[in-house]
This record gives sequence, structure tokens and C-alpha cells, in this order.
Amino acid sequence: NAGVTQTPKFQVLKTGQSMTLQCAQDMNHNSMYWYRQDPGMGLRLIYYSASEGTTDKGEVPNGYNVSRLNKREFSLRLESAAPSQTSVYFCASSSPRLRPQETQYFGPGTRLLVL
Amino acid sequence: AQSVTQLGSHVSVSEGALVLLRCNYSSSVPPYLFWYVQYPNQGLQLLLKYTSAATLVKGINGFEAEFKKSETSFHLTKPSAHMSDAAEYFCAVSVTGNTPLVFGKGTRLSVIA
Repeated sequence: NAGVTQTPKFQVLKTGQSMTLQCAQDMNHNSMYWYRQDPGMGLRLIYYSASEGTTDKGEVPNGYNVSRLNKREFSLRLESAAPSQTSVYFCASSSPRLRPQETQYFGPGTRLLVL
Repeated sequence: AQSVTQLGSHVSVSEGALVLLRCNYSSSVPPYLFWYVQYPNQGLQLLLKYTSAATLVKGINGFEAEFKKSETSFHLTKPSAHMSDAAEYFCAVSVTGNTPLVFGKGTRLSVIA
């Protein structure tokens, strides 16, 4: 099992450009998450998907959109990138459903720099 | 709403010394508590979790944490630090099935030879 995979690993954008961060998991998990990590801020939830076909906003959703393409894949889109979106983005998944005691499994992260 | 406070953004210990990373939570209902570790340029991985089965929880790499309801704490300890323990550690809390994890801001652990 590859676990949770993310592409790309690193990306540089100019202000106003758009891009999609891809995430896939091969653990047959129902729930998937997108976080951003900034120095001194810990991890903050952007969006999550409790199951295929559903998505919900997290703590910091502004400027982002998500798509739960199927059970395996959960993408994060920046329509018009801003320097404030420079961050490390992590995707995570958990199973079998959104229960509070479930462990989340994290991908290796995508480092995004917006100039 | 639940929240987590990690005391100390940076902790430095000598190799072989006790590691103590502090975590306090705020929750109006019994929480589920987690410690995750992040090594440089990697994602997070679970160290241990409290799910009400036992107040003293043992995790990987010799770490353990004790849930103390009266103190609303879930501090992480390891008797003897190793150089490979240098990483960032995150405490997280969850209380309901509809609310994903809430993370603390993290504590960076440095181990000095």
C-alpha cells in the first residue's frame, strides 16, 4: 500500500494563477481532509469529506475549493492564488467513517510558494 | 468547542534525559486525544491515542502519555531522549463524529548530544 499520496511535492505560483493539489489514498478510507501548516500555527483544517459525495468547510476555507472525485481521490483547488496561501498542504484520510477515535493517516505534503 | 494548548513551542533536552511535552485540552464532553509526530519534511504519523480504554497510553518509540481529567491534560513523556526523537510533536483532540481533529500549534523537540 502506498497510503496517502500527494502531487505535486513542490510548486511555485505567481499571484492570481490557479492550481489543483491532488490527493489519493489506497486504504479504502471513507473520510479525507485537507490541512495547511504554517509556522507557529500548527495544522488548520481547510475542508474535509466525511464520505464520497460530501464535503464540508473547515477552519480556513476561504480561497479554496475541493472535489471528492471518488472514494480514493480528494483534490484542493486554488482559483486565484495569493501570497497568503504560501504554506505546506497536507492531505489525510481515516476509516471506516468519521468517528472521533479514528486515526488520521497523512500524506507527505505539498510545499506551495506564491510570489 | 474543543481546543488544545501545547505549552512551549520549543523544548530542548540532552540525550538520555527525560522528555516532557505538555498538552492541555478544553472540552465540555469526554475527548479523544492524540499525539502525532512530524519528522523534517515529512507528514504526520500517530504516536499514540487516548480513547477512554486506559488513562496511561503507550505509543511507539518508547513514548507514553497519561490522561488526567482533573487537570485536563494529556502530557507526552519518554524516560530517555534519543537523537532520533528530534521532531515536531502535535497534540490533537476530537469529541464527536462530525468534528474532525483540532490540532495544537506544535512543540519542536531538540535533542542535544
